[in-house]
Amino acid sequence: EVQLLESGGDLVQPGGSLRLSCAASGFSFSTYAMSWVRQAPGKGLEWVSAISASAHRTDYADSVKGRFTTSRDNSKNTLYLQMNSLRVEDTAVYYCAKDSYYDFWSGSYYFDSWGQGALVTVSS
Amino acid sequence: QSALTQPASVSGSPGQSITISCTGTSSDVGSYSLVSWYQHHPGKAPKLIIYEVTKRPSGVSDRFSGSKSGNTASLTISGLQADDESAYYCSSYANAGDNILVFGGGTKLTVL
Repeated sequence: EVQLLESGGDLVQPGGSLRLSCAASGFSFSTYAMSWVRQAPGKGLEWVSAISASAHRTDYADSVKGRFTTSRDNSKNTLYLQMNSLRVEDTAVYYCAKDSYYDFWSGSYYFDSWGQGALVTVSS
Repeated sequence: QSALTQPASVSGSPGQSITISCTGTSSDVGSYSLVSWYQHHPGKAPKLIIYEVTKRPSGVSDRFSGSKSGNTASLTISGLQADDESAYYCSSYANAGDNILVFGGGTKLTVL
């Protein structure tokens, strides 16, 4: 069974930094692309970033470009999201999501497994 | 404001059928068969129920079906059950604007 477990969510002040982790199990982590998707309070889902299975390619939503960095450690079956220069509008539940393919940009742009999310609150 | 437009809420009685629409543009829904639908119960992980417009993952009930016409995709749930009460989100590949994957704002389904 595929399991994705996010951690690292916290309350942080505007301008601060935070790193989320997503521990994966139940599948061959190193052969699938992964993404982060967030949901702000009362809002819909928003794709944040994607990383290829090999970590050779990443992509970001314009709203986080230059501030967030996605990485992965395939030896630890773990996905990361480093968030810097956090803003109030980054407040959201952050989900890690498993792609159906090794390369996000060559697949069908859907996620066949998701974690339960980690809450990030940016507030002074 | 979400890139794809969904009704905020729909409702139906047990046994009935409902349809949730997802309206985009010719840069996303209208030009690509890359629409997906997710069911999301609060506090739980979202669940994929439809991908590539009409395909169902293994284990998803055939009461769920997807379709597309022009710039609008649709999710139909037949034989409504109490457990179907949830939020539903559509998504699509997008070849314009800021992001290459866009979501709808979500639709809350209430089973009366």
